[in-house]
Amino acid sequence: DVVMTQSPLSLPVTLGQPASISCRSSQSLVHSDGNTYLYWFQQRPGQSPRRLIHRVSGRDSGVPDRFSGSGSGTDFTLKISRVEAEDVGVYYCMQGSLWPWTFGQGTKVEIK
Amino acid sequence: EVQLVESGGGLVQPGGSLRLSCVASGFTFSSHWVTWVRQAPGKGLEWVATINEDGSEKYYVDTVMGRFSISRDNGKNLLYLLMNSLRAEDTAVYYCVRGRANIWGQGTLVTVSS
Repeated sequence: DVVMTQSPLSLPVTLGQPASISCRSSQSLVHSDGNTYLYWFQQRPGQSPRRLIHRVSGRDSGVPDRFSGSGSGTDFTLKISRVEAEDVGVYYCMQGSLWPWTFGQGTKVEIK
Repeated sequence: EVQLVESGGGLVQPGGSLRLSCVASGFTFSSHWVTWVRQAPGKGLEWVATINEDGSEKYYVDTVMGRFSISRDNGKNLLYLLMNSLRAEDTAVYYCVRGRANIWGQGTLVTVSS
């Protein structure tokens, strides 16, 4: 199975400051069709997860443009340009290139 | 409005069975793969099973293979998860998810305990 490793697991951030989460996969996520099925999710306290980013860098509808995704192969990053109070929660990466789909452990973002 | 609503969770004894349902609305259900993802209390997300548009392809995580069965009824816009031989470690909120996880339901809690 593909192991997804996120860092850090806890991220205290000052309001208005940037934040960055890393996600590394144990093998390349480039699918045989040429796409890279790497996704980012946000889970606010008490809510269902919500997808933010699809296929590495595509921002989902309604997602603020302060969220951006980048990377390739086995190394990926989610960046928040200026953290707002509503961004508190746990962030997960997930790969859908190989069965079984696998998630990272989650990164808890909190305000300092 | 695009929506997924799960039901069927509850308390069940170890070794018991439960069937979860998920009703879809606001989109053409038969055109999408659908998936079950679970989350144990205070833990992260775990993919459980996926079924393709017409039900001819099914995929399972190893820990539920042979015990869980995913199925769908496109005429009724319903997704199912039949869970047999339940174990304490199956305790989790189970989410119904569309396609490549762009739409999630609110989840239904399954508790396996004596």
